[in-house]
Amino acid sequence: NAGVTQTPKFQVLKTGQSMTLQCAQDMNHEYMSWYRQDPGMGLRLIHYSVGAGITDQGEVPNGYNVSRSTTEDFPLRLLSAAPSQTSVYFCASSYSRSAEQFFGPGTRLTVL
Amino acid sequence: AQSVAQPEDQVNVAEGNPLTVKCTYSVSGNPYLFWYVQYPNRGLQFLLKYITGDNLVKGSYGFEAEFNKSQTSFHLKKPSALVSDSALYFCAVRDAAFNTDKLIFGTGTRLQVFP
Repeated sequence: NAGVTQTPKFQVLKTGQSMTLQCAQDMNHEYMSWYRQDPGMGLRLIHYSVGAGITDQGEVPNGYNVSRSTTEDFPLRLLSAAPSQTSVYFCASSYSRSAEQFFGPGTRLTVL
Repeated sequence: AQSVAQPEDQVNVAEGNPLTVKCTYSVSGNPYLFWYVQYPNRGLQFLLKYITGDNLVKGSYGFEAEFNKSQTSFHLKKPSALVSDSALYFCAVRDAAFNTDKLIFGTGTRLQVFP
């Protein structure tokens, strides 16, 4: 049982480049979320999903897209990276609305 | 809209002394409340949660938290701090009503326990 996995661990992009951050979980959790962590800002919710085919926006969705075609995977896409998207990104999953979230190890993204 | 406030950026405490990390929340309905801890260069780990029932919740590593509905607070406590408790602590809230599934985090409180 690997839990929540994220790839890559580190990434450097140039402004305007696109990329996809991968997130997968093997716990059959319906709920999955993406957060970004910035100093002094805590964790801010980007997008979340309550099941395959269902996604919704969080607090800071601009510049990011998501899709949920399977229960296991929840990729986060940056279509045109900007320096303001330099951050640490965490993916998380949970069994239900009242259950605790399990977090992945994070992806540290730098946009030059 | 739901929100969480952690009014202290940092809490300093001597080893062996009790510690409190404060959290207040705002939701339209009843809250689901969570505490997480983050050690350096690591992801977040779950400590404890309040869903319903007893207002005093016990969690991992000797931590506990008290839900106070009238003060809309969910402060994290430990009777005797350890140096190894030094980390970043996050409070989070989800509105129990089904009109939203967002889990919103506070800005975090850094706990420093001195020997």
